Amino acid sequence: EAGVAQSPRYKIIEKRQSVAFWCNPISGHATLYWYQQILGQGPKLLIQFQNNGVVDDSQLPKDRFSAERLKGVDSTLKIQPAKLEDSAVYLCASSLELSTYEQYFGPGTRLTVT
Amino acid sequence: AQSVTQLDSHVSVSEGTPVLLRCNYSSSYSPSLFWYVQHPNKGLQLLLKYTSAATLVKGINGFEAEFKKSETSFHLTKPSAHMSDAAEYFCVVRPLNAGNMLTFGGGTRLMVKP
Repeated sequence: EAGVAQSPRYKIIEKRQSVAFWCNPISGHATLYWYQQILGQGPKLLIQFQNNGVVDDSQLPKDRFSAERLKGVDSTLKIQPAKLEDSAVYLCASSLELSTYEQYFGPGTRLTVT
Repeated sequence: AQSVTQLDSHVSVSEGTPVLLRCNYSSSYSPSLFWYVQHPNKGLQLLLKYTSAATLVKGINGFEAEFKKSETSFHLTKPSAHMSDAAEYFCVVRPLNAGNMLTFGGGTRLMVKP
C-alpha cells in the first residue's frame, strides 16, 4: 500500500513570497490533516478535512494560510505572503475515517523562509 | 484545555540498557493516548495507543507504555535499547469527543550510545 505522498520535500523562499504544498493521501482515506512542525516542537494541527469539507480549521492563520481539498482526494496548502516564522516542516496525514485512531503521516515538506 | 508534557527533551542511553521516556497529560476526561516515533527524514509512525482498555499497552519494536490515571502519566519503556531506536518520540493525547484531533507533546530525542 502506498503511503501519504507530499511534494515538494524542500522549499526555500523569501519573506512575502507565496508557496504551495501538495499532499496525496492513502487511497480510500476520507480524512486528511495538515500539521505544522516548528523545529524543536511537536506537530500542531492546522486543518482537518473530511472528504472535501473542513472539519476544523481553528488553528489555521487564515489571513495568510489557505487549504483546499476540492475533489476529496489530494489537498493543497498555501501560504501567501510567507513570514519568517512560517519556517517549519509541513506534515500531511490521512486516516480511513474521522473516528479512526491511526493517522498515517507523509514525510513532510521543509519550508525555509529567508 | 488538553495538553501533554514530555518531561525530558533529550534522553541518552547505552545500547542494551532500559529506555524510559516520560509523559504527563492533562485532560478533563479520560483521553486516548499515543506514542509516535519520528526517524530522520521519515514520517511519523504510530508506536502504540491506549484507548481505555488494558492499562499496560504493548507496541511495536518491544516498546510498551502504562497508563496511570492517578498520576496522569503515560510513560514509554523498553527493556533493552537498540541503536535503531535512536529517534524523536512524541507523546500524543486525543481527548474524549474530540473527533480525531491529536495534541502532540514537545518530543523527546532518544540517543543510543554503542
